[in-house]
Amino acid sequence: DIQMTQSPSSVSASVGDRVTITCRASQGISSWLAWYQQNPGKAPKLLIYAASSLHSGVPSRFSGTGSGTDFTLTITSLQPEDFATYYCQQAHRFPYTFGQGTKVEIK
Amino acid sequence: QVQLVESGGGVVQPGRSLRLSCAASGFTFSSYGIHWVRQAPGKGLEWVALISDDGSDEYYAESLRGRFTISRDSSKNTVFLQMHSLTVEDTAVYYCARVLYGGNSGSLPYWGQGTLVTVSS
Repeated sequence: DIQMTQSPSSVSASVGDRVTITCRASQGISSWLAWYQQNPGKAPKLLIYAASSLHSGVPSRFSGTGSGTDFTLTITSLQPEDFATYYCQQAHRFPYTFGQGTKVEIK
Repeated sequence: QVQLVESGGGVVQPGRSLRLSCAASGFTFSSYGIHWVRQAPGKGLEWVALISDDGSDEYYAESLRGRFTISRDSSKNTVFLQMHSLTVEDTAVYYCARVLYGGNSGSLPYWGQGTLVTVSS
């Protein structure tokens, strides 16, 4: 299986801050990477697909970069509704795998 | 609009079986594979299984292969997840999800609300 490692596991930030989350795959996955946001008790929401494509309706302060094994999700100017947990997921090969999650908390 | 509705969750004793359902609407069911993803309480997301758009292929998380079986009924636009020999480690919210474009692979923009399975004596 392809292992997905996210860092950090949590980050404390303030409204208006820039936040960067990284995700590393144990082997190359080209651009088959997605990022999700999840709030407690809710289903995940797709933010980014194909490593850097913004899903419909997602604010432009979210962006994704990377290919191969190293990927980044950046949130510029953090908003109150962005405090949540974020997951990366590889869609290169079955079984699909998720990162362990990064919780963005209010400082 | 795309809608996925899970059902069938509940409390079940260890060692027993349970079948979950995912009713789909708002899209051409036969054009999309359907995935199951689960989340144990307070834990991260775990991909469980996929059944392909035409039902001919199934993929499973290695740790669940042999205990879980995914299937689909095109006449009912429904996907099933049959779970056997349940353990407390299977306690989770189970979500079904659909890929963005036609086919089976890729990111998952469409999710159901989830159904909670609790394995407890």
